Amino acid sequence: EAQVTQNPRYLITVTGKKLTVTCSQNMNHEYMSWYRQDPGLGLRQIYYSMNVEVTDKGDVPEGYKVSRKEKRNFPLILESPSPNQTSLYFCASSSLLAGGPTDTQYFGPGTRLTVL
Amino acid sequence: SQQGEEDPQALSIQEGENATMNCSYKTSINNLQWYRQNSGRGLVHLILIRSNEREKHSGRLRVTLDTSKKSSSLLITASRAADTASYFCATVNYQSNTGKLIFGQGTTLQVKP
Repeated sequence: EAQVTQNPRYLITVTGKKLTVTCSQNMNHEYMSWYRQDPGLGLRQIYYSMNVEVTDKGDVPEGYKVSRKEKRNFPLILESPSPNQTSLYFCASSSLLAGGPTDTQYFGPGTRLTVL
Repeated sequence: SQQGEEDPQALSIQEGENATMNCSYKTSINNLQWYRQNSGRGLVHLILIRSNEREKHSGRLRVTLDTSKKSSSLLITASRAADTASYFCATVNYQSNTGKLIFGQGTTLQVKP
């Protein structure tokens, strides 16, 4: 089954304790991206990746890191989480249209993170 | 900032009725996508319509796109209680090199049994 998986689905942690949220897709997509969803602010892009070893900042990258060592995986790293990073996080993947923007983007089930 | 504006923000109907949601956007687009989100859960892709298409169907869903008015509509026919969810339109800017989806604020649909 074609899917995007995220782990963990729920996480409660404390300020400053490094954490990683994993994302994996089995559709051989070039493009992967992370979004966060907050009430009143909607979905905002954190980071994206056009292919292996190619990553770039989205709209709200502060406090986050990513890596793309393999095509299928795109982990989101919070080196020193703070309470303002409490949010619902989504990973997405897509194939790339020739020389252009992305096609249908498929989302993971979400990770609900609470930073105390 | 969110590009899309969805209308209405909330909609409550009886099972079996049709539900229509509208979306407006601001920039030139390559495609427009509709997603469903059950309360606090994942985003499920419903349908994608490209900028050179005017109408698309998928099961009980009908999507229209008017690029001259920068607007789209999603029609759900013969609604079911299981259709209760938030619905979002999302666009990718035609000139985007980030692939970023710009989401509207969403329409919350309640279908009463």
